[in-house]
Amino acid sequence: GQQVMQIPQYQHVQEGEDFTTYCNSSTTLSNIQWYKQRPGGHPVFLIQLVKSGEVKKQKRLTFQFGEAKKNSSLHITATQTTDVGTYFCAGRGATNKLIFGTGTLLAVQP
Amino acid sequence: DSGVTQTPKHLITATGQRVTLRCSPRSGDLSVYWYQQSLDQGLQFLIQYYNGEERAKGNILERFSAQQFPDLHSELNLSSLELGDSALYFCASSATGEKQPQHFGDGTRLSIL
Repeated sequence: GQQVMQIPQYQHVQEGEDFTTYCNSSTTLSNIQWYKQRPGGHPVFLIQLVKSGEVKKQKRLTFQFGEAKKNSSLHITATQTTDVGTYFCAGRGATNKLIFGTGTLLAVQP
Repeated sequence: DSGVTQTPKHLITATGQRVTLRCSPRSGDLSVYWYQQSLDQGLQFLIQYYNGEERAKGNILERFSAQQFPDLHSELNLSSLELGDSALYFCASSATGEKQPQHFGDGTRLSIL
């Protein structure tokens, strides 16, 4: 079945450093969504990418959808302590189900 | 505040028991999703309902069942509970359309003793 993997599982950075998480699907995706879950919280929708090669920015966050629509990335520039949390990608494939990735836990040291 | 309400927030019970988790979706949302999140695990999709009908099924055990009522609230029933069922159970809702984002409730933390 469709699988969505994310790397790394965990990343520890110093405040001000950049951070990137990568999302890879075993199948072609019609769209991909990104969510953030703060410690002790619930996932919160960040953004959706639909087109091949699409790039979207939200302040310090840059989201990219691969040309083959099988991978995506989230890059955070100059991390802040408020960026702490687990970032999930979620892809929709042929089954039309939204499959969540394994998540990347980001820790930011002040 | 996502607009999705889940009750109870915490539930402690014993093995072999049965529990019911409840979810009220955002006003106007017809789709409801249930997820299980175990410690240090990702979000495992269990089941989706749309306007009262089952729409999609994930890795939901036979001991688990769900339904969506005419007022669109949903319940997840977990029976013959095992220690491994201890987890955070999230409900999410979305507007109609496959490209709609999902809005999550605060979850129900289930602890099996």
